[in-house]
Amino acid sequence: SAVISQKPSRDICQRGTSLTIQCQVDSQVTMMFWYRQQPGQSLTLIATANQGSEATYESGFVIDKFPISRPNLTFSTLTVSNMSPEDSSIYLCSVGVTEYEQYFGPGTRLTVT
Amino acid sequence: GQNIDQPTEMTATEGAIVQINCTYQTSGFNGLFWYQQHAGEAPTFLSYNVLDGLEEKGRFSSFLSRSKGYSYLLLKELQMKDSASYLCAVRDSNYQLIWGAGTKLIIKP
Repeated sequence: SAVISQKPSRDICQRGTSLTIQCQVDSQVTMMFWYRQQPGQSLTLIATANQGSEATYESGFVIDKFPISRPNLTFSTLTVSNMSPEDSSIYLCSVGVTEYEQYFGPGTRLTVT
Repeated sequence: GQNIDQPTEMTATEGAIVQINCTYQTSGFNGLFWYQQHAGEAPTFLSYNVLDGLEEKGRFSSFLSRSKGYSYLLLKELQMKDSASYLCAVRDSNYQLIWGAGTKLIIKP
């Protein structure tokens, strides 16, 4: 298994500002992902954070809006840039430990006013 | 397109058995996952099926039929703490996880 921590756990931000979310894992992992979950909805993959190279973004998500860093195998950050109320959501960091085990962090609840 | 269907909500009684169905249409198949998510918390891994048949893990079992594009999660001896959303996800040919919208399970005493 893997223990994942995220900071901050929640934040209220003003539109037009940016927020950086940190994800720390207690062991080295190859696969690290960032998801978004709107209230009452399922998970949407934003991007795969690759160590030593640029993140791989899913359709509808771009690097300018959601820049991601992955400096090593235990840490990643996701920045939500130039925020609008539509960005209000829960952002989840996830890691793939084995072929079939994927674990999630506790999430960051973001409210944009 | 890729699609995963689950019932939106189900209600069951404490001590009973409930079956949550999941049907999928994806480009390729590399495994099906079930996750449990309590309100306000992160999803937690429950089960993984890649071959047809039933996988049993304590009170929870998961079944897969690849030819039918169908899976179910069976919960026995329901407890109040089983009240949660249950997410079905399929890994496609690109090894991407495609997520269903989740089934909210309500347990009544």
